[in-house]
Formats: sequence, C-alpha cells, structure tokens
Amino acid sequence: QKEVEQDPGPLSVPEGAIVSLNCTYSNSAFQYFMWYRQYSRKGPELLMYTYSSGNKEDGRFTAQVDKSSKYISLFIRDSQPSDSATYLCAMMTGNQFYFGTGTSLTVIP
Amino acid sequence: SQTIHQWPATLVQPVGSPLSLECTVEGTSNPNLYWYRQAAGRGLQLLFYSVGIGQISSEVPQNLSASRPQDRQFILSSKKLLLSDSGFYLCAWNRHYDQPQHFGDGTRLSIL
Repeated sequence: QKEVEQDPGPLSVPEGAIVSLNCTYSNSAFQYFMWYRQYSRKGPELLMYTYSSGNKEDGRFTAQVDKSSKYISLFIRDSQPSDSATYLCAMMTGNQFYFGTGTSLTVIP
Repeated sequence: SQTIHQWPATLVQPVGSPLSLECTVEGTSNPNLYWYRQAAGRGLQLLFYSVGIGQISSEVPQNLSASRPQDRQFILSSKKLLLSDSGFYLCAWNRHYDQPQHFGDGTRLSIL
C-alpha cells in the first residue's frame, strides 16, 4: 500500500463550480499536511499548510484534515480557469516528506 | 523574501554526455536543499538532500550525484547520462526539516 493515495483525475469542471480534491494516507504518524499547485512546466507552489485536524481557509481555498479517517481534502470555491493545474497533496513526519501523484484539474470557461 | 532559481529550464543531451544542473537559493542562510525527479503519473522521487555544505544524502542509488559547494548552491551531476535519466528535475528548499518545501521551476531533461 502506498503511503499516500491521490486520484489522478483528470477532473474537468465549469467555471464557478466547487472543486473537491482528496488524498488518503496510511501512516498515522503524519503530522503536517500540505497542498501544492503545479502549472504545466513549472515547479509545485505551496498553497496550504496545516497541522491539526479541522479546516483552514485562505480565500477561495479550504484545506480539511481528518486524522481519524486518514483523509485530507482541498476545496476550491468559485473555480476559475486560472485554477487549471495539477494539485499535489503532501504529508510530513519528522524529516520525511511524502507526495501524492497529483490530480489534474481543468476549469472550463 | 526567499527565492529559488534553477537552470537551465530545458536541456537536450546525447546519451553518454555529462550533466550539470544548478540550483541556488536567495534570501536565507543554511537551508536544507533537495533534488527530486518528477515522472508523469509517478509523483516526486527524492534523489538527494543536503543539510549543509558538503553534506549529501542519497535516497536512490543511480547514475547521478549531487554536491553542495556553497551554502545556498546545490548541483546535480552525472558523468555519463543514460536514456533513463530523462525527466523533470526539481530543486527544493526549506529552513527546517519540519517545514514545507519550496520548489524551483525545474529543468526538463531529454536524453537522445
């Protein structure tokens, strides 16, 4: 079983839709949870960084962590064409980082 | 603010040729530095990381090597490239091991 599982998509939504991206994990030792956005031919850019279970909001983005279910989500409200990218989840324990394989999202105008 | 630079952005090399990719970080001191390779559908593979000048840890035995000659400079090298070395190479940094990593814009390497 992989440490981190992420549905690769692709996911295609109309502009203005609410997008839900998800990752599951197996290691209960993971302490920190991140979401990165990666545009084509660019490096991943940190979007959200959370530590505890619950929700963290930043503008149109909400990161949710459920440690009991080993499940994290990223919600994008009022999605825009500029949100079209690949989204990677990442998790960390100690000095070990684990990345999901990424979900490709296209927002159609 | 901190920035990370990688170059070149794109590189096409023949099999058997040497390689040198460079990464530098500005605006911070004594960062942790990382080299990753990203393959389509396979996520990020950690190749090397460094916690200080001259200190390199290798995660995967391979045809590549890394060096850190200066505090904010990280170099990925090969003496003889293989076809399997093709990929997207990313450099990343963080200030402390339990903080998120920040990535450069990568080098797309094609081996012919």
